[in-house]
Amino acid sequence: GENVEQHPSTLSVQEGDSAVIKCTYSDSASNYFPWYKQELGKRPQLIIDIRSNVGEKKDQRIAVTLNKTAKHFSLHITETQPEDSAVYFCAAPLGDSNYQLIWGAGTKLIIKP
Amino acid sequence: DTEVTQTPKHLVMGMTNKKSLKCEQHMGHRAMYWYKQKAKKPPELMFVYSYEKLSINESVPSRFSPECPNSSLLNLHLHALQPEDSALYLCASSYGLGSGNTIYFGEGSWLTVV
Repeated sequence: GENVEQHPSTLSVQEGDSAVIKCTYSDSASNYFPWYKQELGKRPQLIIDIRSNVGEKKDQRIAVTLNKTAKHFSLHITETQPEDSAVYFCAAPLGDSNYQLIWGAGTKLIIKP
Repeated sequence: DTEVTQTPKHLVMGMTNKKSLKCEQHMGHRAMYWYKQKAKKPPELMFVYSYEKLSINESVPSRFSPECPNSSLLNLHLHALQPEDSALYLCASSYGLGSGNTIYFGEGSWLTVV
């Protein structure tokens, strides 16, 4: 079945620097890769996603890259701000089923002032 | 409106109590979900409803009983829970079940079993 590995588990960066979180997946049929942000005590919220027919997608300071050959995708946050502090989860579906979303273990991002 | 509304936000219940968690969405989504989330872990899928019918039960103990009264509402009935069931229970919805449908989460119900 699908397996999603996420690294690092904790990432501490200086405010204004960039942060990169990486995920690898095992199911070559996976075709949709969302990233969720969960602030302390709040709900997970989708911040960006990418489909397997594109290699990169950007939304202001956030970007996601996908390497289908290597089966990995990454979240890039530039010019980090205090409000970026949260736990970030990547996910990948098993085949084309949305409900069978396999989640990474999460990355706690700490932005140091 | 991209809101999934859950009540109550906090619930403390004894192991012999019966309680219910409620969830509502008015986005016209046909798929609704219950997830359980423990501290520092990703959400764990419990149940999936599609067009008001139970599609997936991820081997959840029978002390958790889901109900979908209509396309906008989803309940989770709780009975004879254990302290290890204490967690954040997240309701979610999406337009459909296919890959690529964004899953929207509610704020969650924090459950403590004493």
